[in-house]
Amino acid sequence: QKEVEQDPGPLSVPEGAIVSLNCTYSNSAFQYFMWYRQYSRKGPELLMYTYSSGNKEDGRFTAQVDKSSKYISLFIRDSQPSDSATYLCATHGGTSYGKLTFGQGTILTVHP
Amino acid sequence: EPEVTQTPSHQVTQMGQEVILRCVPISNHLYFYWYRQILGQKVEFLVSFYNNEISEKSEIFDDQFSVERPDGSNFTLKIRSTKLEDSAMYFCASNFRNTEAFFGQGTRLTVV
Repeated sequence: QKEVEQDPGPLSVPEGAIVSLNCTYSNSAFQYFMWYRQYSRKGPELLMYTYSSGNKEDGRFTAQVDKSSKYISLFIRDSQPSDSATYLCATHGGTSYGKLTFGQGTILTVHP
Repeated sequence: EPEVTQTPSHQVTQMGQEVILRCVPISNHLYFYWYRQILGQKVEFLVSFYNNEISEKSEIFDDQFSVERPDGSNFTLKIRSTKLEDSAMYFCASNFRNTEAFFGQGTRLTVV
């Protein structure tokens, strides 16, 4: 069983739509959860960083963690063409903050 | 805004040659990492480095790989004898202590 599973998509939505991106994980030791955005042939850029179960909001982005079901989500409201990228979920167990386990990444296209 | 800088952005090398990928982490960061992303695949952890020594490494990080912090600012990844399957994007990352990791823009390594 893969440690972090993420539907690679691709996902295509019209501008202004609400986007929902999801990951599941199998290892209960994972305690911290991140969402990174990656443009083509660029490095991952940190979007959201959460620890607790529940929601964390930052502008148009909301990260949701449900540790009981080992499910994490990223919602993007009022999506823009500039949001078109690959979105990576990542996690670690809290002992090594930079040793991350990534999901496959979901390719998102927001068309005007 | 401080950032992780990687050079070169693209490196082409012949199979069997040695390559050195260079990174300048964010200046006050203490922990340094290398990751690899083969085209179309997940971002994978290779190695973490702290206090001038390797703290963790993955199965991928075999004897062909080595890391070094030759001075107070650079962090390098050396691949001794490159193979075709080493072709990938290589990302350097760094963090301070119990904080999120920031990634560089990557070096695309092409082995021919």
